[in-house]
Amino acid sequence: GAGVSQTPSNKVTEKGKYVELRCDPISGHTALYWYRQSLGQGPEFLIYFQGTGAADDSGLPNDRFFAVRPEGSVSTLKIQRTERGDSAVYLCASSLGPLANTGELFFGEGSRLTVL
Amino acid sequence: SQQGEEDPQALSIQEGENATMNCSYKTSINNLQWYRQNSGRGLVHLILIRSNEREKHSGRLRVTLDTSKKSSSLLITASRAADTASYFCALRHMDSNYQLIWGAGTKLIIKP
Repeated sequence: GAGVSQTPSNKVTEKGKYVELRCDPISGHTALYWYRQSLGQGPEFLIYFQGTGAADDSGLPNDRFFAVRPEGSVSTLKIQRTERGDSAVYLCASSLGPLANTGELFFGEGSRLTVL
Repeated sequence: SQQGEEDPQALSIQEGENATMNCSYKTSINNLQWYRQNSGRGLVHLILIRSNEREKHSGRLRVTLDTSKKSSSLLITASRAADTASYFCALRHMDSNYQLIWGAGTKLIIKP
């Protein structure tokens, strides 16, 4: 596609519910990142995929958060038993390869999650 | 943790004036990047400066890097209302080929 696509753009859910956020990266980009951003803060790293594998998931806050990228393209971030503190904008970014080769990240417009 | 720090946190200037934002950091870096974000949505890459570079230009943007002081500045000349946004610096650590470390950003408001 022309850019990184994230769906839904907005999601309102109730505490305790399960949520899936989807990211469709730029075609051909092997590296994919998930970030979380709270109001007035910079992006907080969650997980990095190189191809199909999660090369670094050290930013996932706890075991309620999980992400997959089964075919090395689209990725889904899954949040179980949502809590009010999970409310944030979830950003997805992709790049051609590791930053050593390419430098910049291309971001989607984000998915704004609100947990009531 | 966020190891890049921008200042000021917020900046309000008149259209046509120059805007300067600073980024300080503590680690050793391979490169430093600046991104812009409108209305809390997606970030857009503006410019990248490598650790062996001291200054870089792109249109109305000028970035400087002082690795001895571990600081960078972003200058936007002849500001326009459309420059109103938040600006973030992101550091690529020397030891990582994928990890970017982000600051909390500078919120820039251009008054018409």
